[in-house]
Amino acid sequence: DAKTTQPNSMESNEEEPVHLPCNHSTISGTDYIHWYRQLPSQGPEYVIHGLTSNVNNRMASLAIAEDRKSSTLILHRSTLRDAAVYYCILHGSGNTGKLIFGQGTTLQVKP
Amino acid sequence: NAGVTQTPKFRVLKTGQSMTLLCAQDMNHEYMYWYRQDPGMGLRLIHYSVGEGTTAKGEVPDGYNVSRLKKQNFLLGLESAAPSQTSVYFCASSFSSKHPDIQYFGAGTRLSVL
Repeated sequence: DAKTTQPNSMESNEEEPVHLPCNHSTISGTDYIHWYRQLPSQGPEYVIHGLTSNVNNRMASLAIAEDRKSSTLILHRSTLRDAAVYYCILHGSGNTGKLIFGQGTTLQVKP
Repeated sequence: NAGVTQTPKFRVLKTGQSMTLLCAQDMNHEYMYWYRQDPGMGLRLIHYSVGEGTTAKGEVPDGYNVSRLKKQNFLLGLESAAPSQTSVYFCASSFSSKHPDIQYFGAGTRLSVL
Protein backbone atom coordinates (compact mmCIF):
# COMPACT_ATOMS: atom_id res chain seq x y z
CA ASP A 1 0.00 0.00 0.00
CA ALA A 2 1.29 3.43 -0.91
CA LYS A 3 2.21 5.57 2.07
CA THR A 4 1.54 9.17 2.92
CA THR A 5 3.71 11.67 4.78
CA GLN A 6 2.21 14.48 6.82
CA PRO A 7 3.66 16.97 9.31
CA ASN A 8 3.08 15.89 12.89
CA SER A 9 1.49 19.17 13.91
CA MET A 10 0.41 22.56 12.64
CA GLU A 11 -1.03 25.71 14.16
CA SER A 12 -3.45 28.25 12.80
CA ASN A 13 -5.24 31.34 14.02
CA GLU A 14 -8.98 31.33 14.23
CA GLU A 15 -10.76 32.62 11.13
CA GLU A 16 -7.63 32.28 8.99
CA PRO A 17 -7.16 29.68 6.23
CA VAL A 18 -5.19 26.52 6.89
CA HIS A 19 -3.28 24.46 4.34
CA LEU A 20 -2.54 20.91 5.45
CA PRO A 21 0.00 19.18 3.18
CA CYS A 22 0.34 15.51 2.33
CA ASN A 23 3.04 13.80 0.30
CA HIS A 24 2.31 10.53 -1.48
CA SER A 25 5.11 10.06 -3.98
CA THR A 26 4.35 6.34 -4.58
CA ILE A 27 0.68 6.85 -5.38
CA SER A 28 -0.68 4.60 -8.12
CA GLY A 29 -2.96 5.65 -10.91
CA THR A 30 -6.05 4.13 -9.30
CA ASP A 31 -5.50 5.45 -5.76
CA TYR A 32 -7.98 7.99 -4.50
CA ILE A 33 -6.83 10.57 -1.96
CA HIS A 34 -9.09 10.63 1.07
CA TRP A 35 -9.03 12.95 4.06
CA TYR A 36 -10.57 12.15 7.39
CA ARG A 37 -10.38 14.05 10.63
CA GLN A 38 -10.72 12.98 14.24
CA LEU A 39 -12.00 15.45 16.79
CA PRO A 40 -10.92 14.90 20.41
CA SER A 41 -12.51 11.81 21.95
CA GLN A 42 -14.50 11.02 18.80
CA GLY A 43 -14.30 8.62 15.90
CA PRO A 44 -12.86 9.75 12.58
CA GLU A 45 -15.14 11.53 10.14
CA TYR A 46 -14.88 11.84 6.38
CA VAL A 47 -13.82 15.23 5.06
CA ILE A 48 -13.20 15.02 1.33
CA HIS A 49 -11.69 12.87 -1.40
CA GLY A 50 -10.36 13.27 -4.92
CA LEU A 51 -8.58 11.49 -7.75
CA THR A 52 -7.01 14.04 -10.09
CA SER A 53 -9.00 17.26 -10.05
CA ASN A 54 -9.34 19.75 -7.23
CA VAL A 55 -12.46 19.24 -5.16
CA ASN A 56 -14.63 21.47 -3.00
CA ASN A 57 -17.33 20.65 -0.49
CA ARG A 58 -18.96 22.39 2.44
CA MET A 59 -16.18 21.36 4.82
CA ALA A 60 -13.00 21.95 2.83
CA SER A 61 -11.17 22.02 -0.48
CA LEU A 62 -8.68 19.50 -1.79
CA ALA A 63 -5.92 20.64 -4.10
CA ILE A 64 -4.11 17.83 -5.93
CA ALA A 65 -0.77 18.37 -7.61
CA GLU A 66 -0.63 17.74 -11.32
CA ASP A 67 1.70 14.74 -10.85
CA ARG A 68 -0.52 13.54 -7.96
CA LYS A 69 2.49 13.08 -5.70
CA SER A 70 1.17 15.56 -3.18
CA SER A 71 -2.08 17.15 -2.10
CA THR A 72 -3.25 19.88 0.24
CA LEU A 73 -6.37 20.04 2.36
CA ILE A 74 -7.57 23.61 2.66
CA LEU A 75 -9.79 24.86 5.45
CA HIS A 76 -10.81 28.27 4.20
CA ARG A 77 -11.70 29.78 7.54
CA SER A 78 -10.56 27.74 10.52
CA THR A 79 -12.58 27.73 13.72
CA LEU A 80 -11.84 26.34 17.16
CA ARG A 81 -14.02 23.36 16.26
CA ASP A 82 -11.58 22.45 13.49
CA ALA A 83 -8.93 21.49 16.04
CA ALA A 84 -8.43 17.80 15.28
CA VAL A 85 -6.08 15.19 13.86
CA TYR A 86 -6.27 15.19 10.06
CA TYR A 87 -5.47 12.00 8.19
CA CYS A 88 -4.48 11.82 4.53
CA ILE A 89 -5.17 8.29 3.24
CA LEU A 90 -4.67 6.64 -0.13
CA HIS A 91 -7.52 4.35 -1.00
CA GLY A 92 -6.82 1.89 -3.79
CA SER A 93 -9.24 -0.18 -5.75
CA GLY A 94 -7.85 -3.44 -4.37
CA ASN A 95 -8.08 -2.51 -0.71
CA THR A 96 -11.51 -4.07 -0.12
CA GLY A 97 -12.51 -0.82 1.52
CA LYS A 98 -9.72 -0.89 4.07
CA LEU A 99 -8.31 2.43 5.20
CA ILE A 100 -4.70 2.61 6.33
CA PHE A 101 -4.26 5.40 8.86
CA GLY A 102 -0.91 7.06 9.52
CA GLN A 103 -0.31 9.33 12.49
CA GLY A 104 -1.89 12.33 10.79
CA THR A 105 -1.43 16.04 11.44
CA THR A 106 -2.61 17.50 14.73
CA LEU A 107 -4.08 20.91 14.01
CA GLN A 108 -4.20 23.44 16.82
CA VAL A 109 -6.38 26.49 16.28
CA LYS A 110 -5.59 29.54 18.37
CA PRO A 111 -8.31 32.05 19.28
CA ASN B 1 -30.71 8.41 11.92
CA ALA B 2 -28.30 6.96 14.50
CA GLY B 3 -25.56 5.92 12.04
CA VAL B 4 -23.00 3.66 13.74
CA THR B 5 -23.60 2.83 17.39
CA GLN B 6 -21.09 1.10 19.63
CA THR B 7 -21.78 -0.49 23.00
CA PRO B 8 -20.47 -0.29 25.62
CA LYS B 9 -18.72 3.10 25.67
CA PHE B 10 -16.35 2.16 28.47
CA ARG B 11 -15.24 -1.11 30.01
CA VAL B 12 -12.64 -2.28 32.48
CA LEU B 13 -11.59 -5.93 32.39
CA LYS B 14 -9.22 -8.07 34.37
CA THR B 15 -6.61 -10.09 32.52
CA GLY B 16 -8.13 -13.31 31.25
CA GLN B 17 -11.74 -12.11 31.22
CA SER B 18 -13.78 -12.15 28.05
CA MET B 19 -16.14 -9.64 26.53
CA THR B 20 -17.97 -8.75 23.35
CA LEU B 21 -18.17 -5.32 21.76
CA LEU B 22 -21.25 -4.63 19.70
CA CYS B 23 -21.44 -2.44 16.62
CA ALA B 24 -24.76 -1.65 14.99
CA GLN B 25 -25.42 0.39 11.85
CA ASP B 26 -28.74 1.50 10.43
CA MET B 27 -27.55 2.61 6.99
CA ASN B 28 -27.92 -0.78 5.27
CA HIS B 29 -24.18 -0.85 4.63
CA GLU B 30 -22.56 -4.00 3.29
CA TYR B 31 -19.08 -3.43 4.72
CA MET B 32 -18.17 -3.18 8.39
CA TYR B 33 -14.83 -2.78 10.13
CA TRP B 34 -13.23 -2.95 13.56
CA TYR B 35 -10.20 -0.75 14.31
CA ARG B 36 -8.14 -0.15 17.40
CA GLN B 37 -6.35 3.06 18.29
CA ASP B 38 -3.51 3.22 20.78
CA PRO B 39 -2.43 6.53 22.35
CA GLY B 40 -0.84 8.91 19.84
CA MET B 41 -1.32 6.47 16.99
CA GLY B 42 -3.51 6.18 13.98
CA LEU B 43 -6.19 3.50 13.68
CA ARG B 44 -5.24 -0.07 12.82
CA LEU B 45 -7.65 -2.53 11.24
CA ILE B 46 -8.43 -5.64 13.31
CA HIS B 47 -11.08 -7.47 11.26
CA TYR B 48 -13.58 -6.53 8.63
CA SER B 49 -16.65 -7.95 6.90
CA VAL B 50 -17.77 -7.55 3.30
CA GLY B 51 -21.26 -8.84 3.96
CA GLU B 52 -23.53 -10.83 6.24
CA GLY B 53 -21.93 -14.11 7.25
CA THR B 54 -18.43 -13.15 6.05
CA THR B 55 -15.39 -11.93 7.98
CA ALA B 56 -11.72 -11.40 7.19
CA LYS B 57 -8.54 -10.54 9.05
CA GLY B 58 -7.06 -7.10 9.04
CA GLU B 59 -3.67 -5.83 10.12
CA VAL B 60 -3.79 -6.83 13.81
CA PRO B 61 -6.26 -9.75 14.22
CA ASP B 62 -4.53 -11.80 16.92
CA GLY B 63 -6.48 -12.17 20.16
CA TYR B 64 -9.78 -11.12 18.60
CA ASN B 65 -12.70 -12.88 16.94
CA VAL B 66 -15.62 -11.40 15.05
CA SER B 67 -19.03 -12.40 13.80
CA ARG B 68 -21.50 -10.88 11.34
CA LEU B 69 -24.67 -12.90 11.76
CA LYS B 70 -26.89 -9.98 10.78
CA LYS B 71 -26.12 -7.34 8.19
CA GLN B 72 -26.58 -4.51 10.64
CA ASN B 73 -24.41 -5.91 13.44
CA PHE B 74 -20.70 -6.65 13.73
CA LEU B 75 -19.43 -8.16 16.98
CA LEU B 76 -15.86 -8.07 18.23
CA GLY B 77 -14.90 -10.63 20.86
CA LEU B 78 -11.97 -10.86 23.23
CA GLU B 79 -11.79 -14.42 24.58
CA SER B 80 -9.00 -13.86 27.11
CA ALA B 81 -8.19 -10.20 27.54
CA ALA B 82 -4.59 -9.07 27.91
CA PRO B 83 -3.17 -5.68 29.03
CA SER B 84 -1.86 -5.19 25.47
CA GLN B 85 -5.48 -4.97 24.34
CA THR B 86 -6.04 -1.81 26.33
CA SER B 87 -7.06 0.59 23.60
CA VAL B 88 -9.91 2.55 22.05
CA TYR B 89 -11.92 0.44 19.62
CA PHE B 90 -13.76 1.97 16.69
CA CYS B 91 -16.31 0.38 14.44
CA ALA B 92 -17.02 1.69 10.96
CA SER B 93 -19.28 0.85 8.06
CA SER B 94 -19.44 1.67 4.37
CA PHE B 95 -21.84 1.04 1.52
CA SER B 96 -19.34 -0.98 -0.48
CA SER B 97 -15.70 -1.04 -1.46
CA LYS B 98 -16.40 0.87 -4.66
CA HIS B 99 -15.16 4.44 -4.67
CA PRO B 100 -15.67 6.72 -2.95
CA ASP B 101 -16.46 4.20 -0.21
CA ILE B 102 -16.87 6.69 2.60
CA GLN B 103 -16.58 5.05 5.99
CA TYR B 104 -18.75 6.14 8.88
CA PHE B 105 -17.36 5.64 12.36
CA GLY B 106 -18.86 5.08 15.75
CA ALA B 107 -17.88 7.05 18.84
CA GLY B 108 -15.59 4.34 20.15
CA THR B 109 -15.29 1.96 23.09
CA ARG B 110 -12.58 2.67 25.63
CA LEU B 111 -11.29 -0.60 27.05
CA SER B 112 -8.84 -1.01 29.89
CA VAL B 113 -7.41 -4.41 30.74
CA LEU B 114 -5.81 -4.59 34.17
